[in-house]
Amino acid sequence: KQEVTQIPAALSVPEGENLVLNCSFTDSAIYNLQWFRQDPGKGLTSLLLIQSSQREQTSGRLNASLDKSSGRSTLYIAASQPGDSATYLCAPMEYGNKLVFGAGTILRVKS
Amino acid sequence: EAQVTQNPRYLITVTGKKLTVTCSQNMNHEYMSWYRQDPGLGLRQIYYSMNVEVTDKGDVPEGYKVSRKEKRNFPLILESPSPNQTSLYFCASSGLGRRETTYEQYFGPGTRLTVT
Repeated sequence: KQEVTQIPAALSVPEGENLVLNCSFTDSAIYNLQWFRQDPGKGLTSLLLIQSSQREQTSGRLNASLDKSSGRSTLYIAASQPGDSATYLCAPMEYGNKLVFGAGTILRVKS
Repeated sequence: EAQVTQNPRYLITVTGKKLTVTCSQNMNHEYMSWYRQDPGLGLRQIYYSMNVEVTDKGDVPEGYKVSRKEKRNFPLILESPSPNQTSLYFCASSGLGRRETTYEQYFGPGTRLTVT
């Protein structure tokens, strides 16, 4: 059974810092991996999708890497802003298009 | 605007009273699914559908039913809700590509259900 771990569980940083959020998964037989953000009481917003054949994907200040063989993905956030405060969720996709979610990293960026 | 919509957004009901949470997408996606989110347990898949009339169980299907009679709609049915089904429910959809090329999944805004 796939298990997804996200480290750290929570992070509080001053505005402007570059951040690294880590995700590890136990079964490398995945089709892709998706990063989401979730604001309190709200839905999930897709940030980045990395196909299993890709190593990296970028969108604006966000960069996600994937090392499928070692079961790891990393989300880099450059020049963090207070508006980045949210919970970040990592979700590898298995057979049947099922996303398996980690518990998330709660990020707070202080102004 | 491409979106996944859910109704109702909030619902308080009593044990045993049948209810339906609707989900609709306007992106012509083949794949749709339902998740529930609970504190400490994260998001878990309830049911999914690969296309019209094709549905299958996820990890926590007990107490739920689904149907997929139209491509755009995927309602979640609770025939006899119980307090342990109090949760935040999300519907998601995506296109289906070749095995090694899959599309990102889009989530609805969520339905907060309380069963007393």
